[in-house]
Amino acid sequence: GIQVEQSPPDLILQEGANSTLRCNFSDSVNNLQWFHQNPWGQLINLFYIPSGTKQNGRLSATTVATERYSLLYISSSQTTDSGVYFCAVSGTENTPLVFGKGTRLSVIA
Amino acid sequence: NAGVTQTPKFQVLKTGQSMTLQCAQDMNHEYMSWYRQDPGMGLRLIHYSVGAGITDQGEVPNGYNVSRSTTEDFPLRLLSAAPSQTSVYFCASSYSARGPVLYGYTFGSGTRLTVV
Repeated sequence: GIQVEQSPPDLILQEGANSTLRCNFSDSVNNLQWFHQNPWGQLINLFYIPSGTKQNGRLSATTVATERYSLLYISSSQTTDSGVYFCAVSGTENTPLVFGKGTRLSVIA
Repeated sequence: NAGVTQTPKFQVLKTGQSMTLQCAQDMNHEYMSWYRQDPGMGLRLIHYSVGAGITDQGEVPNGYNVSRSTTEDFPLRLLSAAPSQTSVYFCASSYSARGPVLYGYTFGSGTRLTVV
């Protein structure tokens, strides 16, 4: 099945810094989503982005499907951005998402 | 409020006991799924359903059963609990299963299960 690798596994930032999280996948995808899991465990969908670029406030994401990677950018990080960021993909319609192991982000004031 | 509701939030079981984790959504989503989350492992798919009456296995289905008699509900049954099933369980739903997935997943708040 499709493999998903996220990097880095852990990231510590000073408040106000920018960061880039990477997601590599092993095959073509028709569905790619980024999620944030907050310190209380809640999973929130950030982007549905199988290709192209999207922006939502301080967060943006770019997927280059032909090169099999996606990037999540966090600008001017805040302590509330802390948590684990997951990338998840599926290769065909109607197949479930496969999750990477996540990037744990800690933003320090 | 619309969303995915999971019950219970916490549960402690003895080895060999059975139980059902409940998941309900009120968004008329066709697609529903169960994941378990273990430290350092990300989320792994247990079972999923593309519509009422249709279920399929995921990556780690052993020891779990599901059914989908209605669009709204997708319960997960542990047949005979084992310590290896200690985990956090998440239910998720999505709008479309028979065409392009146009919308992202919505997750429940999770069930933290401990088997002793």
